[in-house]
Amino acid sequence: EDQVTQSPEALRLQEGESSSLNCSYTVSGLRGLFWYRQDPGKGPEFLFTLYSAGEEKEKERLKATLTKKESFLHITAPKPEDSATYLCAVQGTTGGFKTIFGAGTRLFVKA
Amino acid sequence: EPEVTQTPSHQVTQMGQEVILRCVPISNHLYFYWYRQILGQKVEFLVSFYNNEISEKSEIFDDQFSVERPDGSNFTLKIRSTKLEDSAMYFCASEGHLYEQYFGPGTRLTVT
Repeated sequence: EDQVTQSPEALRLQEGESSSLNCSYTVSGLRGLFWYRQDPGKGPEFLFTLYSAGEEKEKERLKATLTKKESFLHITAPKPEDSATYLCAVQGTTGGFKTIFGAGTRLFVKA
Repeated sequence: EPEVTQTPSHQVTQMGQEVILRCVPISNHLYFYWYRQILGQKVEFLVSFYNNEISEKSEIFDDQFSVERPDGSNFTLKIRSTKLEDSAMYFCASEGHLYEQYFGPGTRLTVT
């Protein structure tokens, strides 16, 4: 069964203090691993898709990497506006593209 | 920039009543999804839809749920007889050509 586990559950950073969020996954045939940002009361906002181990994607202060078992979301010099819940999700190549989400990491960045 | 829209933003209904949640996906997208998120919990997959057919559904998506694309633009989720435990935020998403999903703002369903 496809599974996604994210850690830590919550992360408190000072502005400018870089860190990483972890997503461990199991899936039978990876169609894609996705990172989303979710603000309270809003729908998830797409950040990255990673398709195969070794791939990296960057956008502003965020960088996502992928291995065969894990993905990391690295946040460099975060700002208070980066405070949100970051969600990891996977889709397998079988089963009609069922998307499994992790519980998320709540990031708090203090000025 | 195209976006997914959902109506209503908030629906209050009594237990046992039928509700229809509406979504307008991004035009030219082909795959569509419904998810739910109970307050404080993870986003849960309900159903995927392609070519006017259900591709996959989760264990949550039982006989009380149905989806359809009645007119080529709207995408609806119907709950036939709501239960208290159906109270949640329901999100619609449509999939772009790189598999990324664009989510709507959600409908908050409250069952009393």
